Amino acid sequence: GQNIDQPTEMTATEGAIVQINCTYQTSGFNGLFWYQQHAGEAPTFLSYNVLDGLEEKGRFSSFLSRSKGYSYLLLKELQMKDSASYLCAVRDSNYQLIWGAGTKLIIKP
Amino acid sequence: DVKVTQSSRYLVKRTGEKVFLECVQDMDHENMFWYRQDPGLGLRLIYFSYDVKMKEKGDIPEGYSVSREKKERFSLILESASTNQTSMYLCASSPLADSSYEQYFGPGTRLTVT
Repeated sequence: GQNIDQPTEMTATEGAIVQINCTYQTSGFNGLFWYQQHAGEAPTFLSYNVLDGLEEKGRFSSFLSRSKGYSYLLLKELQMKDSASYLCAVRDSNYQLIWGAGTKLIIKP
Repeated sequence: DVKVTQSSRYLVKRTGEKVFLECVQDMDHENMFWYRQDPGLGLRLIYFSYDVKMKEKGDIPEGYSVSREKKERFSLILESASTNQTSMYLCASSPLADSSYEQYFGPGTRLTVT
């Protein structure tokens, strides 16, 4: 079966760095997405990786290793507004998105 | 900016009622999707459509149907609502399936079936 695993919840301090991991087992691979979802709101796109390596976008970076079925989202200089759930999703061989359950990130002052 | 709108943010219906959830996107996207989101579970795909009048079943289509009569509008229908359909329903759209384009989501409809 297809499976995406990410931690349920993480806590970090304002101004610090946090890494949210995602491991996947899917039927084929056509890219990995990270989305941010604030409570009660729609998911919004953060990043896309299809080749191995690191993609950097301001305070956010995303890494992919296809051979290990592994990705992480790195958030630097954490701000209170980064408190949200972070969703990992993989596009499979049928070009459908398979979603993880999300990681709830709590930022403390 | 891409905009995906959903007809209601909150909805309360009784068991057995027929329920219509409407979704409209304004960016001429070919693909549209309906998901449900429940605590502790990832988004689960109910149905999707890649063209007008075309529909494909997702992972959990039972108890649902869809309609896409116009490119910009994708409707989700609960023929006879049941309490286990209480959930957050998210609509999304994207330009093409075989590309790096992300899906754009509407604000969601929180449906409660009593």
